Amino acid sequence: SAVISQKPSRDICQRGTSLTIQCQVDSQVTMMFWYRQQPGQSLTLIATANQGSEATYESGFVIDKFPISRPNLTFSTLTVSNMSPEDSSIYLCSVQEGTGELFFGEGSRLTVL
Amino acid sequence: AQSVTQPDIHITVSEGASLELRCNYSYGATPYLFWYVQSPGQGLQLLLKYFSGDTLVQGIKGFEAEFKRSQSSFNLRKPSVHWSDAAEYFCAVGRELDDYKLSFGAGTTVTVRA
Repeated sequence: SAVISQKPSRDICQRGTSLTIQCQVDSQVTMMFWYRQQPGQSLTLIATANQGSEATYESGFVIDKFPISRPNLTFSTLTVSNMSPEDSSIYLCSVQEGTGELFFGEGSRLTVL
Repeated sequence: AQSVTQPDIHITVSEGASLELRCNYSYGATPYLFWYVQSPGQGLQLLLKYFSGDTLVQGIKGFEAEFKRSQSSFNLRKPSVHWSDAAEYFCAVGRELDDYKLSFGAGTTVTVRA
């Protein structure tokens, strides 16, 4: 299975600032996904990041708030822009292997004050 | 659209006792079902999956799950719980083999007491 590394693992940020989360995979993957896990809740898909094309966002998520880059087949970034306390969550990067299951990074725990 | 219900928000079990976590799904066709575990401060780890075939699926860490189409359920079980099994468990359902848009349940938190 793919090994997925995320940075930072956690951060505390001030309201109104932006934070970029990095996701590195140890193998080339076509599709990478970003999920959000708000406190005490389940996972929600933010967007799908394909190399060489614009990210595809799910309902309720917009590019201005969550810009995504996918410069190559092993790396992606998610930026949380103009943060507010409501953005305090765990952000998870994931990839799908050929057998169908999703594999996840350890997540980036963001606290916005 | 598919959906997943995990009726139990929190379960407390004694070490060495058996554990069963419930998962019910809603989907018209044959679903692709997964159980993930999230230990404190960690990402999600896949425990097991069901795509087709034998309805009793074996996973890692001594877990198993049984797919029951008649009950739309995919309950997770472990015969003897270890303290390290304290974590949050998520059931998820997909529509197709390559459907990355999994629907996750709300999760069940398992506490293990000595």
